[in-house]
Amino acid sequence: AQSVTQPDIHITVSEGASLELRCNYSYGATPYLFWYVQSPGQGLQLLLKYFSGDTLVQGIKGFEAEFKRSQSSFNLRKPSVHWSDAAEYFCAVDAGSGGSNYKLTFGKGTLLTVNP
Amino acid sequence: DGGITQSPKYLFRKEGQNVTLSCEQNLNHDAMYWYRQDPGQGLRLIYYSQIVNDFQKGDIAEGYSVSREKKESFPLTVTSAQKNPTAFYLCASSIDGEAEQYFGPGTRLTVT
Repeated sequence: AQSVTQPDIHITVSEGASLELRCNYSYGATPYLFWYVQSPGQGLQLLLKYFSGDTLVQGIKGFEAEFKRSQSSFNLRKPSVHWSDAAEYFCAVDAGSGGSNYKLTFGKGTLLTVNP
Repeated sequence: DGGITQSPKYLFRKEGQNVTLSCEQNLNHDAMYWYRQDPGQGLRLIYYSQIVNDFQKGDIAEGYSVSREKKESFPLTVTSAQKNPTAFYLCASSIDGEAEQYFGPGTRLTVT
């Protein structure tokens, strides 16, 4: 079965510092990969996605992620964190049920705190 | 504006009662999903529907039921058989044939 691991439950960074959130997946084929962000009590917003091609993908709000097949990783990065980036971040993988039947498997999330 | 609407935002029920959560989308998406979110657990799939009048169980369907009579609507009923119904429930939708899902704002259900 597919699985997604986000090793860091909670990360604290200072405003202006760089950020890297880790995501590892277990999946046989080349997966579809996603990062979502969730503010408290809100729904999820898509930050970026990887389907194929260039392994470095750019997203909204200045985020980027790099797909590394050899490491089964899809880490999220941002060069300079803003206080408004404080939220919970979820990595997700398409479970690949075949055809047009897509199901996402989510990691348990990483809570980001930003210190002033 | 196109989007997904979930109502109400907060819902309170007594144990033993069934409760129905609403999810409506005007994105013209074929597929719709229901997830349950608990602190530290990520999102877990309850049910999903690829087309009107058809739906499949997800990973944690026990104690839940759904219907898909219209393309725009995918209501979720939390039955009295669900042992731990208190949670945050998220509805999502996607274009048929695409993996990217769009999420609603969620409903927080509290059962006492």
